[in-house]
Amino acid sequence: GAVVSQHPSRVICKSGTSVKIECRSLDFQATTMFWYRQFPKKSLMLMATSNEGSKATYEQGVEKDKFLINHASLTLSTLTVTSAHPEDSSFYICSARVASGGVSYNEQFFGPGTRLTVL
Amino acid sequence: KQEVTQIPAALSVPEGENLVLNCSFTDSAIYNLQWFRQDPGKGLTSLLLIQSSQREQTSGRLNASLDKSSGRSTLYIAASQPGDSATYLCAVSRNQAGTALIFGKGTTLSVSS
Repeated sequence: GAVVSQHPSRVICKSGTSVKIECRSLDFQATTMFWYRQFPKKSLMLMATSNEGSKATYEQGVEKDKFLINHASLTLSTLTVTSAHPEDSSFYICSARVASGGVSYNEQFFGPGTRLTVL
Repeated sequence: KQEVTQIPAALSVPEGENLVLNCSFTDSAIYNLQWFRQDPGKGLTSLLLIQSSQREQTSGRLNASLDKSSGRSTLYIAASQPGDSATYLCAVSRNQAGTALIFGKGTTLSVSS
């Protein structure tokens, strides 16, 4: 159980275009999803916290108008990189936290990641 | 601000060796700690989750310990195998449920046959 998928797994786009990445929890409901990015040989850095039905909370230094996040349902969050530039090339990974009515262990399950290359 | 450090950054061992990966964090007020495995170009696989009230967790050949007061965790891998070669990431969550993880830079392990 607790499977998270991402689509696409890899995308190459031209500078100036927008790219949408989907993150889905396949077998559970997720009230909270997180978006991270990872540069080569670097650790994962949190970009934003996505809560179902409300606006995302962005980390300091992350442009909310550039990285649009939508969490319209309990199983889907999307990240849109608008007007992408080569410096946006990175590995984007989402995670989802199981929604439960009882004590939450806060265990997060990660998607397989999306490799974005902006030419 | 919470910072997570992993030592060593890279480790090479022959098959069969037991090994220890280290993780330290600066703020002991954590909700839990997770160890992950990441293969090149892939996502993260959760290995072990330790709640702040626990001291260790075990899964197969893996054992993770947590000393919250000193801000340290170790991941012990017994009888290492070439298939264990990967990057191991340590991450802590802030002191409340539903919060994001703060990651270390990882330890890249290479097990030779």
